[in-house]
Amino acid sequence: GENVEQHPSTLSVQEGDSAVIKCTYSDSASNYFPWYKQELGKRPQLIIDIRSNVGEKKDQRIAVTLNKTAKHFSLHITETQPEDSAVYFCAAILANQAGTALIFGKGTTLSVSS
Amino acid sequence: SQTIHQWPATLVQPVGSPLSLECTVEGTSNPNLYWYRQAAGRGLQLLFYSVGIGQISSEVPQNLSASRPQDRQFILSSKKLLLSDSGFYLCAWSLNSYEQYFGPGTRLTVT
Repeated sequence: GENVEQHPSTLSVQEGDSAVIKCTYSDSASNYFPWYKQELGKRPQLIIDIRSNVGEKKDQRIAVTLNKTAKHFSLHITETQPEDSAVYFCAAILANQAGTALIFGKGTTLSVSS
Repeated sequence: SQTIHQWPATLVQPVGSPLSLECTVEGTSNPNLYWYRQAAGRGLQLLFYSVGIGQISSEVPQNLSASRPQDRQFILSSKKLLLSDSGFYLCAWSLNSYEQYFGPGTRLTVT
């Protein structure tokens, strides 16, 4: 089945700096890679996703890159702000005869200090 | 628009007691439904997923079970809770097997 590794587990940056979180996956058949942001005590929220037919996707200060050959994808946050502080999860899709589900990495706690 | 509900929001149960958590989705038909567990400070562990009524797939064998008695209802159960069952239980739904949206969660403490 699918396995997703995420690093670093914690990341501290100064406001205005960039932050990069990296994930690798094991199933070469995976074709969908979302990123979620979870603030303390709240539900994870989908912030950006990428499908395997593109190599990069941007949404304002957030971008995701995908390297299918190497089976890794990354989240890039530019000009970080204190409100970016949260736990970020990457995921890859697990597909089998029973259907599809997302398998998540263990999360990265991002702290942005002003 | 679609809305997902979970209840209860918080629950404190003794070891060995039964459990029933409910998740319902409004505003859509035939969603894929999922149960995840998040232990304190940990990642999201997929427990069960369902593509239709009565169809349940389990990712992790444990003392939990799931049922889908209606199209938009997903229930997580246990006959006897363990201390290790404590955590934040999240239900999620998806229409196209890609974008997945989470409910508000149930925080379970087993004492």
